[in-house]
Amino acid sequence: GESVGLHLPTLSVQEGDNSIINCAYSNSASDYFIWYKQESGKGPQFIIDIRSNMDKRQGQRVTVLLNKTVKHLSLQIAATQPGDSAVYFCAENRGKLIFGQGTTLQVKP
Amino acid sequence: GAVVSQHPSWVICKSGTSVKIECRSLDFQATTMFWYRQFPKQSLMLMATSNEGSKATYEQGVEKDKFLINHASLTLSTLTVTSAHPEDSSFYICSARGSSGGRETQYFGPGTRLLVL
Repeated sequence: GESVGLHLPTLSVQEGDNSIINCAYSNSASDYFIWYKQESGKGPQFIIDIRSNMDKRQGQRVTVLLNKTVKHLSLQIAATQPGDSAVYFCAENRGKLIFGQGTTLQVKP
Repeated sequence: GAVVSQHPSWVICKSGTSVKIECRSLDFQATTMFWYRQFPKQSLMLMATSNEGSKATYEQGVEKDKFLINHASLTLSTLTVTSAHPEDSSFYICSARGSSGGRETQYFGPGTRLLVL
């Protein structure tokens, strides 16, 4: 079946370094993607979104890149901080949000 | 920003009892609400989609008679887990879609942790 999936289950980075979290999707008709951050015991928190008519979108310390050719998107976090430690999900909006499996980001002090 | 609340935040119940979880959009009208379930170290799995005033649409494999969803108003949706069993123990998260600040997006509640003994 079609799915939105992530490449790595856990990413460990040093505080201050940049983090890159990847996501692959299989539905070529998908035109809207969202990244969420989920801290332990809490609901997902919106980070940034991107539509398929864009290749890149920037927010505060975060950048999302979309490569429609290989059906891949990534979330880049600049100068990663301990507060960035969480699980990150990409989600595909098909009228309802379909979530990928998530990547746990661990920030080492 | 928009806020979605859930009540209760956690609940423990005996096997065979029913549990109701409320989801409210606090500062916007939610035309559509979604219910997700999340098991430990897993992703969010969509259970059902509900539109105000109409029957919910359930995802494949989700028992509609076991997970009763009511979306009686534009700010309130409820999920009732009927005859709960230990395997229903999970983290239930609601999401509300509507417009806030001129932009339509989807906001998530803080989740309700259910433990069935």
